[in-house]
Amino acid sequence: GAGVSQSPSNKVTEKGKDVELRCDPISGHTALYWYRQSLGQGLEFLIYFQGNSAPDKSGLPSDRFSAERTGGSVSTLTIQRTQQEDSAVYLCASSLSQGGGYTFGSGTRLTVV
Amino acid sequence: GEDVEQSLFLSVREGDSSVINCTYTDSSSTYLYWYKQEPGAGLQLLTYIFSNMDMKQDQRLTVLLNKKDKHLSLRIADTQTGDSAIYFCAAGLGGNMLTFGGGTRLMVKP
Repeated sequence: GAGVSQSPSNKVTEKGKDVELRCDPISGHTALYWYRQSLGQGLEFLIYFQGNSAPDKSGLPSDRFSAERTGGSVSTLTIQRTQQEDSAVYLCASSLSQGGGYTFGSGTRLTVV
Repeated sequence: GEDVEQSLFLSVREGDSSVINCTYTDSSSTYLYWYKQEPGAGLQLLTYIFSNMDMKQDQRLTVLLNKKDKHLSLRIADTQTGDSAIYFCAAGLGGNMLTFGGGTRLMVKP
């Protein structure tokens, strides 16, 4: 597609439920990133996929968080047993492997009540 | 690893110039970027500069890079109320991940 698409744009869930957030990157972009942005804060790196290599999961805050990228394209970020502190905007970005910067999606605003 | 720092807040009057500053720690950083985030939106790439350049101008935007001091700045000429946003600096090594600063909130007063 023309840009990075994320869905849903907003998600309200009850504490303890699982959620799945989806990211559809720009076609041809080999790298895909997930970030979390809490209210008024900067970007917190979560996970990075590059081509067929093993993902860099060093930013995932707990084992409740996981992500996969199927066929080198669409990615799903899953949060199990959500907690109130998981409330944030989850941003996805993609890039070509060499320079050019990231293209970000509009994010998914997650609210855990 | 890389560490990128920015001041939190900048307030200017409409029509004045804004200068947003950023420092980074890894002298190997090859690509340096500025992103803009408007309320409720994702980050939009504004401009970038390669480490072999010291200045880049794009309409009202001027990026200055001081490699010796590892200091990057973004100057916005004739700042408008529509420029009010959070500006993020980011540094990276080409194909590797970018490291983002914490963002500078620019407020433009009419």
